[in-house]
Amino acid sequence: DAGVIQSPRHEVTEMGQEVTLRCKPISGHDYLFWYRQTMMRGLELLIYFNNNVPIDDSGMPEDRFSAKMPNASFSTLKIQPSEPRDSAVYFCASRYSGGNYEQYFGPGTRLTVT
Amino acid sequence: GENVEQHPSTLSVQEGDSAVIKCTYSDSASNYFPWYKQELGKGPQLIIDIRSNVGEKKDQRIAVTLNKTAKHFSLHITETQPEDSAVYFCAASRRTGNQFYFGTGTSLTVIP
Repeated sequence: DAGVIQSPRHEVTEMGQEVTLRCKPISGHDYLFWYRQTMMRGLELLIYFNNNVPIDDSGMPEDRFSAKMPNASFSTLKIQPSEPRDSAVYFCASRYSGGNYEQYFGPGTRLTVT
Repeated sequence: GENVEQHPSTLSVQEGDSAVIKCTYSDSASNYFPWYKQELGKGPQLIIDIRSNVGEKKDQRIAVTLNKTAKHFSLHITETQPEDSAVYFCAASRRTGNQFYFGTGTSLTVIP
């Protein structure tokens, strides 16, 4: 299995621009998670889906952030408009409800907003 | 909500020595405690986990201990090797295994 796939790996954008991060979970996994990692706040859960349905989005920082999962093999995290404080590494993770609780992380997208 | 504290933030050991990382948590309902290893430029990867019905779990050179009464758990790495150098995160979760509360990480350096 290729593992969790994220794209792009690096994104540099200017303040005010729209940013879309993409994630392909491991095939067969029915949970998908979006995390943000910064030096100040560490690893934070933003939102997670079960069977493509958002379950808990209480970690989404502001209305500028939105996430979708149109099907079992694809999810997006969008920031519109982006701000410099959104600069971070964004991770996608997935897990299978029939297994243990392990979450499998993707390689992350490093976002820089100038 | 849950609050997970992790110490130390940085740790340097000589190759072959042991390394210990400690975490405390606040929510007595937490019952799943994974440890993740993150290498530079990569996502975190599970290395070991423990559930609240056991006090210790071992996997080769890695072991985790849990004290539910004191609400703390620790990662022990014996016979450290340079490839153990990475950032290690502890986490706590309730039974759902979905809402993970991560510690702030420990940067481990193993000196050859």
